[in-house]
Formats: sequence, C-alpha cells, structure tokens
Amino acid sequence: GNSVTQMEGPVTLSEEAFLTINCTYTATGYPSLFWYVQYPGEGLQLLLKATKADDKGSNKGFEATYRKETTSFHLEKGSVQVSDSAVYFCALSRYNTDKLIFGTGTRLQVFP
Amino acid sequence: DAGVIQSPRHEVTEMGQEVTLRCKPISGHNSLFWYRQTMMRGLELLIYFNNNVPIDDSGMPEDRFSAKMPNASFSTLKIQPSEPRDSAVYFCASSLAVRDRGYEQYFGPGTRLTVT
Repeated sequence: GNSVTQMEGPVTLSEEAFLTINCTYTATGYPSLFWYVQYPGEGLQLLLKATKADDKGSNKGFEATYRKETTSFHLEKGSVQVSDSAVYFCALSRYNTDKLIFGTGTRLQVFP
Repeated sequence: DAGVIQSPRHEVTEMGQEVTLRCKPISGHNSLFWYRQTMMRGLELLIYFNNNVPIDDSGMPEDRFSAKMPNASFSTLKIQPSEPRDSAVYFCASSLAVRDRGYEQYFGPGTRLTVT
C-alpha cells in the first residue's frame, strides 16, 4: 500500500544549526510529495512540494528533493531559527487522486 | 482569499450532547476533507468530498459521526451523541483537484472540541 515514514522526534537543535528531517515513502506509480508545517495552535500549512522525480521544492529556506531511486523526500534547512519550531509532516498524493497520505509528524525544537 | 474558515474555534460540551462543526472551503475548490488530530492517534482523515459528493468515509469512527456538504461552499461534521473520547482538534481542508498538478490541500485553523 501507500505510506510515508518520518523520523521520530523531537529533533532538538540550537539556532543556526543544519536541519535534516528524513522522509521515505512507499507508493505505486508516481506520487506527488509534500511537506507541511504546523505551528503551535494552528492548522497545517503547505511548506513545499515536488510533483516529479528530481524536482526540488523550496520555501522559506527549506528544501527537499524528490528522489525516486531512494524513495525519499528529506527536508533540509541550512540555518534554523527559533521561529522554525513546529511539527513537520511529510505527505504524498497518488497520481490523479485527492487523498493525502501523511506521515506521523516530526517535532522540531530550536533553542537560542 | 480568506482561506478555509471553520467555526466554532473552540467548543466545550457535555457528554451526550450534539456537536456540529462547520467549514467553508476556499472559493473554487472542489474537494473538501475533514481530519481529526489527537496526541494519541495523530492526524486522521475522517471523510472527504469531491464536487459535494462523499468519496471516502472509511475514516469515520462510528455511526455517531456524520458529515454533509449541501453545496460547494459549506460542510458540516456532526457528532451525536458526543463522548469524552471525541475530544480532539478537528480540521477542515480544501483543494482544487487539477490533473498533473499534485493536490495540495489548504487547512483551516481547526476547531478544538472538549467533551466533558
């Protein structure tokens, strides 16, 4: 079946550290891949997406590359800020369907 | 654009009472989703609609839960009777399903439900 696996959290970093949150997926066909972010007390917001292999999604200094050969979509940021503290969800949608399959979320805590 | 609008933002009710959550999707979107989020179970898809028609309700936990979408700009999720284990944050999301685009969903701020 289709599924998304994320690294367990929390991830705890100091400000300006490098961030990687791992995400791997299982899917038939060619899914689209997404990262969503949820700040405390808010709904999920789309952070970035990639719709085909080797695409790189980027936004607000975050990047993720769609790697079909390793079925991965790891989230990276070169220098995190305290304001990046949130829960990050990796998700996929199969071609031509509406449903998103979410990972369990990874909590990021950034300290000054 | 106003984004997805949910009401109420907070609801506190007693066990056995009926609860109705409301959602207004982004204008022009043709798919609508209801999710539930708890610490124990994470984010769960309850039901989704496409062009106002329920497509998949396999996530609805039991018959106490029902959802309707009478038109393209409004949906409700009803719990009757409510139980303490229904306490959660309920999110509504909408999307514009366009072939080959990847279906990003836009989430509302959520309704925090507490059943005592």
